[in-house]
Amino acid sequence: DSGVTQTPKHLITATGQRVTLRCSPRSGDLSVYWYQQSLDQGLQFLIQYYNGEERAKGNILERFSAQQFPDLHSELNLSSLELGDSALYFCASSPTSGYADTQYFGPGTRLTVL
Amino acid sequence: KNQVEQSPQSLIILEGKNCTLQCNYTVSPFSNLRWYKQDTGRGPVSLTIMTFSENTKSNGRYTATLDADTKQSSLHITASQLSDSASYICVVTLNTNAGKSTFGDGTTLTVKP
Repeated sequence: DSGVTQTPKHLITATGQRVTLRCSPRSGDLSVYWYQQSLDQGLQFLIQYYNGEERAKGNILERFSAQQFPDLHSELNLSSLELGDSALYFCASSPTSGYADTQYFGPGTRLTVL
Repeated sequence: KNQVEQSPQSLIILEGKNCTLQCNYTVSPFSNLRWYKQDTGRGPVSLTIMTFSENTKSNGRYTATLDADTKQSSLHITASQLSDSASYICVVTLNTNAGKSTFGDGTTLTVKP
């Protein structure tokens, strides 16, 4: 158990809908990262937040957005969902935004768009 | 384009044997290279992290090496166990930002009894 929690574990929805994925980092960790893992593309970095502020952005679509709240939990919002958004979404946390920090991954949320 | 290439794509070995997985990268400027183990349907678990100046790092039966000149890394697993069956992912991070990482597609290792 990494100490990172993600909810829900599974999510099934329809195209065009909007969903919110939630992540609670390990106690004391200030950075939260979001990743997408689909069958045909492997793991891709989406976005990082550090202590409430956006720190780095990867291949995140404009239909997706994220935020980190004062209690350091984070939410990833996915809107106008398409079939291709079906994937595992992982959240990870680390103590700081340091380059060599170990990132601890949560169990993931499996999103299925029908 | 920054890339991370892993080989082989998949590997089957017998329990107790050793194996070596490869990772070649073109990511620049380089900050660090990580190896993760990912069991099917679960989140990746960090095995090793190496910065530019390190050329070897061990974690139990896992030993990673890094040659920053040739931009190659390897992960050596000794005395394999059935529980080593997983995907092993190489990740290279830019030195401009901690969050921007490029992931390899992984090597799927199967350890058979």
